[in-house]
Amino acid sequence: LAKTTQPISMDSYEGQEVNITCSHNNIATNDYITWYQQFPSQGPRFIIQGYKTKVTNEVASLFIPADRKSSTLSLPRVSLSDTAVYYCLVFGLTGGGNKLTFGTGTQLKVEL
Amino acid sequence: EAEVAQSPRYKITEKSQAVAFWCDPISGHATLYWYRQILGQGPELLVQFQDESVVDDSQLPKDRFSAERLKGVDSTLKIQPAELGDSAMYLCASSLAGPRGGYTFGSGTRLTVV
Repeated sequence: LAKTTQPISMDSYEGQEVNITCSHNNIATNDYITWYQQFPSQGPRFIIQGYKTKVTNEVASLFIPADRKSSTLSLPRVSLSDTAVYYCLVFGLTGGGNKLTFGTGTQLKVEL
Repeated sequence: EAEVAQSPRYKITEKSQAVAFWCDPISGHATLYWYRQILGQGPELLVQFQDESVVDDSQLPKDRFSAERLKGVDSTLKIQPAELGDSAMYLCASSLAGPRGGYTFGSGTRLTVV
C-alpha cells in the first residue's frame, strides 16, 4: 500500500485558491488517489477521486502528473467554511489495498 | 442525500463497563466499515464487512472488541470491558463496493471512558 505524505497544516485567506500537494512515490499501477475532507466532530466526506491527469467536480479539482507520484487538490476561492482537515489517500481495487488507510491529513485554516 | 446513521452521538462510560455502538448504513451498501479516530489523528480501520461477513478485522483488539452485522444491514460494535485508552470517536462508513466512488461516513459516536 502506497504511503502518502502531505503538509501538516496550511493557512489561507478567503477568496484565494488553495493547492494541497500529496506525494505517493510508491503508488502502484492499479492504485487510485482520493481525497476526503473532515470537519470537527464529523466523519470524513468524500471530495474527489482520480487515476491520472485532471479531474474536476463542483467542489474541487485534482491534478495528477504523468508519473502519478504526487497529486494536488485544488480548492478554488476558499471560504471560512473550508477550514477542515484534508486527507490524501491511495487505494487499490483488490486485496489489502481495497480499503482506505488514513494518515494525519492537512489542517487547512482559512481566515478573513 | 442518503446518510449513514450512528447512535448514540455521545457516550460516557466508566472503565470496565460494556459499551455498544450502532450503525445503519446507506440502503444497498454491501460494504460496511468501523473506524476509530483518536483526537488529532486520522481514522484507523477496525473492521470491514462485506454483507454479513468480516473481510478484515486485523486491527480489531479482539480481546475486548467485537463487531457483528447479522443480517448484512445494520451493525453493532461492542467494547467489553472499556479502558481509558478507548476514548475516541468511532466512525461507521459504508460503500457500494469498496473505496472506488467513495465511502459515506456517519457522524460518529464520541466515547469518553472515565
